Amino acid sequence: TQLLEQSPQFLSIQEGENLTVYCNSSSVFSSLQWYRQEPGEGPVLLVTVVTGGEVKKLKRLTFQFGDARKDSSLHITAAQPGDTGLYLCAGPPTYNNDMRFGAGTRLTVKP
Amino acid sequence: ETGVTQTPRHLVMGMTNKKSLKCEQHLGHNAMYWYKQSAKKPLELMFVYSLEERVENNSVPSRFSPECPNSSHLFLHLHTLQPEDSALYLCASSQDRGLAGDSSTDTQYFGPGTRLTVL
Repeated sequence: TQLLEQSPQFLSIQEGENLTVYCNSSSVFSSLQWYRQEPGEGPVLLVTVVTGGEVKKLKRLTFQFGDARKDSSLHITAAQPGDTGLYLCAGPPTYNNDMRFGAGTRLTVKP
Repeated sequence: ETGVTQTPRHLVMGMTNKKSLKCEQHLGHNAMYWYKQSAKKPLELMFVYSLEERVENNSVPSRFSPECPNSSHLFLHLHTLQPEDSALYLCASSQDRGLAGDSSTDTQYFGPGTRLTVL
């Protein structure tokens, strides 16, 4: 089992719809990062959340870190085809601070 | 542009070939990483270097041999690979090795990857 569980694994939606993807763990994390990876490319850092309960916005993307720092969510408003990609969460658990990655959510936004 | 470059972007090799992957980071970071990403599988950490010293080797077969001549460059030497080694190989760097729980120094920045196909 993964230390960071991401759900759903796959998501296919129409342009203009809203969506939320989740990153959950039973462990506490010092911080969590969200990356987006397009086919054939490396992951690109979107945001880092550090404080429990923290909310960060990046245009149509809203990232939230859980109060207990064990989970995070990414909400996309009015999804566009350019949002298509693999969304990865990652972070260092406080028990050893060694960076861990989730398996990702593969998002497809159809025009 | 993330400041981490990888060459080549695509590589096709036979099982008896010897090739090398190159990674260069322009961020002034002290730690560099090799990951393997196979289809439908999560990122697998292969090697970690901190200040040019290997600090972690996650039971990677000896047909993969890393080299870190300085803090800006990282190589992955390949020899007698198997078809199951076909994958996207990603290089990443971070300010420090990342055991302090400090996101300002732990966050990893990735290169574009090398798509490797072993015939």
